[in-house]
Amino acid sequence: KQEVTQIPAALSVPEGENLVLNCSFTDSAIYNLQWFRQDPGKGLTSLLLIQSSQREQTSGRLNASLDKSSGRSTLYIAASQPGDSATYLCAVGGKGAQKLVFGQGTRLTINP
Amino acid sequence: DAGVIQSPRHEVTEMGQEVTLRCKPISGHNSLFWYRQTMMRGLELLIYFNNNVPIDDSGMPEDRFSAKMPNASFSTLKIQPSEPRDSAVYFCASSLNRKNTEAFFGQGTRLTVV
Repeated sequence: KQEVTQIPAALSVPEGENLVLNCSFTDSAIYNLQWFRQDPGKGLTSLLLIQSSQREQTSGRLNASLDKSSGRSTLYIAASQPGDSATYLCAVGGKGAQKLVFGQGTRLTINP
Repeated sequence: DAGVIQSPRHEVTEMGQEVTLRCKPISGHNSLFWYRQTMMRGLELLIYFNNNVPIDDSGMPEDRFSAKMPNASFSTLKIQPSEPRDSAVYFCASSLNRKNTEAFFGQGTRLTVV
């Protein structure tokens, strides 16, 4: 059974810093990995999707990497801003199934 | 496109009552997912459909929960009878039915059973 873990559970950094959020998964037989952002009381917004054949994806200040063999993904946020404050969730799409298995998320606070 | 639309946004009901949550997926998407989010368990998949057919309902917690997708543009999740432990945020998501496509989520329905 796939298990997804995100560390740390919470992170608070000053504005302008570069930061890394971590995601690990137990079963490397995946189709893809998706990073989401969730603002309080809101739904999930898709940030990046990395296919299993890819090593990384970039969107603006966000860069996500995937190391399938070690069961790890990182989300790098450059030059953080207060508007980046949210909970970030990673989710793994397994082979043979479309369903996503989610980590518990990292609650990120960027202090002005 | 307006995205995935869920209704109601908030629902407060008394224990024992029937609750129906509704979802309209993104037009053209042929996979639909129902998730539940709680503080303790995070986001859990309840059931998903491909082309209106239920594919995996192993996450449905009990027989009190049922889901239907009568057509490509509408799905319901019903809880009957509701219990306080069903209180959670229920999300609907949709995607295309092929590998490596993003899932798009609705705003969720916050259910409180008192």
